[in-house]
Amino acid sequence: DAGITQSPRHKVTETGTPVTLRCHQTENHRYMYWYRQDPGHGLRLIHYSYGVKDTDKGEVSDGYSVSRSKTEDFLLTLESATSSQTSVYFCAISESMQNYGYTFGSGTRLTVV
Amino acid sequence: AQKITQTQPGMFVQEKEAVTLDCTYDTSDQSYGLFWYKQPSSGEMIFLIYQGSYDEQNATEGRYSLNFQKARKSANLVISASQLGDSAMYFCAMRGGTSYGKLTFGQGTILTVHP
Repeated sequence: DAGITQSPRHKVTETGTPVTLRCHQTENHRYMYWYRQDPGHGLRLIHYSYGVKDTDKGEVSDGYSVSRSKTEDFLLTLESATSSQTSVYFCAISESMQNYGYTFGSGTRLTVV
Repeated sequence: AQKITQTQPGMFVQEKEAVTLDCTYDTSDQSYGLFWYKQPSSGEMIFLIYQGSYDEQNATEGRYSLNFQKARKSANLVISASQLGDSAMYFCAMRGGTSYGKLTFGQGTILTVHP
């Protein structure tokens, strides 16, 4: 049983449409993160959460918003998708700030046409 | 702010040989953690090895070892006895001491193992 699932796994959307990606965890971990992966850039942090309703911006947050209304779900929303947001999106969870046990989701491949 | 630099976009190694993947980092934190992840072509992120900044010995996990040189701010991954299944993208990452557990990743190195 995966402790973290992302949905959808793949999505194609049109420029200007809103898109929401979901990250769901069953581990009751406090910390959740959204990253995007692009060639030549590795993974870059978009937003993160350190508790229910507690979120903050990461390195590349422009054009993205997040919400965390319950421990298990962390939603990433592209308010108006652009082609530059075509990427692979990873969610990750962590039990504490100082441990080394991060669990990554399987990723969502988003294409904006 | 933290920064991770991986200067090798691609590396090639013969099966059964050892290979070193380079990683340098920059941080002003005294306490931090260094990670290596493997990403095969299937796309999942696989944790390989962790080194804490106060750990005096280099971390080892099976065929993986982390060559930690604190003064030089380097955290190279050494894979011994390479296998064909080691062909993948490898990411070095860092977690700062007061950063809510956020990871900063390097650009990655693609490793190809030849038979």
